[in-house]
Amino acid sequence: SYELTQPPSVSVSPGQTARITCSGDALPKQYAYWYQQKPGQAPVLVIYKDSERPSGIPERFSGSSSGTTVTLTISGVQAEDEADYYCQSADSSGTYPHVVFGGGTKLTVL
Amino acid sequence: QVQLQESGPGLVKPSETLSLTCTVSGGSVSSGSYYWSWIRQPPGKGLEWIGYIYYSGSTNYNPSLKSRVTISVDTSKNQFSLKLSSVTAADTAVYYCAREVVVAARFDYWGQGTLVTVSS
Repeated sequence: SYELTQPPSVSVSPGQTARITCSGDALPKQYAYWYQQKPGQAPVLVIYKDSERPSGIPERFSGSSSGTTVTLTISGVQAEDEADYYCQSADSSGTYPHVVFGGGTKLTVL
Repeated sequence: QVQLQESGPGLVKPSETLSLTCTVSGGSVSSGSYYWSWIRQPPGKGLEWIGYIYYSGSTNYNPSLKSRVTISVDTSKNQFSLKLSSVTAADTAVYYCAREVVVAARFDYWGQGTLVTVSS
């Protein structure tokens, strides 16, 4: 089955730039989406269609794509950005596309 | 503002059927612009997509769960529901309902989630 691979953890100091990657063979053909999840809360969409930012999401969140890897970049990380981040895309190998999530990356702000 | 709210038993016995309902407010499950989805998250683990239903009644399920899952919609109550049969401890998770934008494949609104524990 199709998988999206993320690093389990990323650590940065406040004010630095955090980069979280997500790799998958179908990413050149399918958009990626990023969700932020804080403890005890539902996920929140922070990036859609690889690099678009929903209204209300701070400008320090950005996304990019290159080949089979997409990257979520958080510039000028703040303490409130500490959370789990999940990438999501679609497996279109079957009759209907199926949603696939990456395993998640825990962002620690030192 | 769209809101989704999960409801159902928090404890289910092994081999029985898990049943949850999601009530939608501020939007309509009859809209052709959205899929109405279920996603789960075992304690301390990642997200797993279960499946979705369209207002027409068409469904799409995760292949790994397809044999045990049924998602239905009640447009008169503006609700959609999940049934997962023959549950085991591995089905213990927080279950979320969410709205997925058709064609865009993104989940823009989520419920708060409800913990379902499978235990005798």
